[in-house]
Amino acid sequence: ILNVEQSPQSLHVQEGDSTNFTCSFPSSNFYALHWYRWETAKSPEALFVMTLNGDEKKKGRISATLNTKEGYSYLYIKGSQPEDSATYLCAFPFSGGYNKLIFGAGTRLAVHP
Amino acid sequence: EAQVTQNPRYLITVTGKKLTVTCSQNMNHEYMSWYRQDPGLGLRQIYYSMNVEVTDKGDVPEGYKVSRKEKRNFPLILESPSPNQTSLYFCASSLQGGSLEAFFGQGTRLTVV
Repeated sequence: ILNVEQSPQSLHVQEGDSTNFTCSFPSSNFYALHWYRWETAKSPEALFVMTLNGDEKKKGRISATLNTKEGYSYLYIKGSQPEDSATYLCAFPFSGGYNKLIFGAGTRLAVHP
Repeated sequence: EAQVTQNPRYLITVTGKKLTVTCSQNMNHEYMSWYRQDPGLGLRQIYYSMNVEVTDKGDVPEGYKVSRKEKRNFPLILESPSPNQTSLYFCASSLQGGSLEAFFGQGTRLTVV
């Protein structure tokens, strides 16, 4: 079974802080890497799907980078706001592209005013 | 509005009483999946479907059944629920496998007593 590891497990920051967390995945047979944001009592929503080594994607204050050779992706949040509080999930498609996503356990971010 | 709709949102049932959780998507997506989420673990795939009448086991299929008779619907069936199936369940769909984002339903919180 493939493992997708996320660190840290949880993170508490103050409003205005910038933060980042990591997703590690198998570097062999890379196909894509997904990031999702999951707010409490809501459903996970896609942030990014990254497919190319060196890819950088940005959505507002949130950005992500991808290193497929070493098997990691970083998610960055610049100037965290309380509304950024959520669990951030990464996922790795298994078997070359079918909808069989292997999810990490997530990083739970709490941004305090 | 593009969406994945699950019902019910909350369900408390007794051991052994068959139940079905419905999932419907209005985006004409080929790929649909069911996941369960348990504390400390990532989303784990139960079953997935690549098209009508094409389904396959995910990582934790024991105790579950699915069917895909129409493209839009992908119900999850628990023939004889047990307490270890108490969990938060998500249905998801995507247009094309792991290279495109998955859209999630609102979740079904199931308690089996």
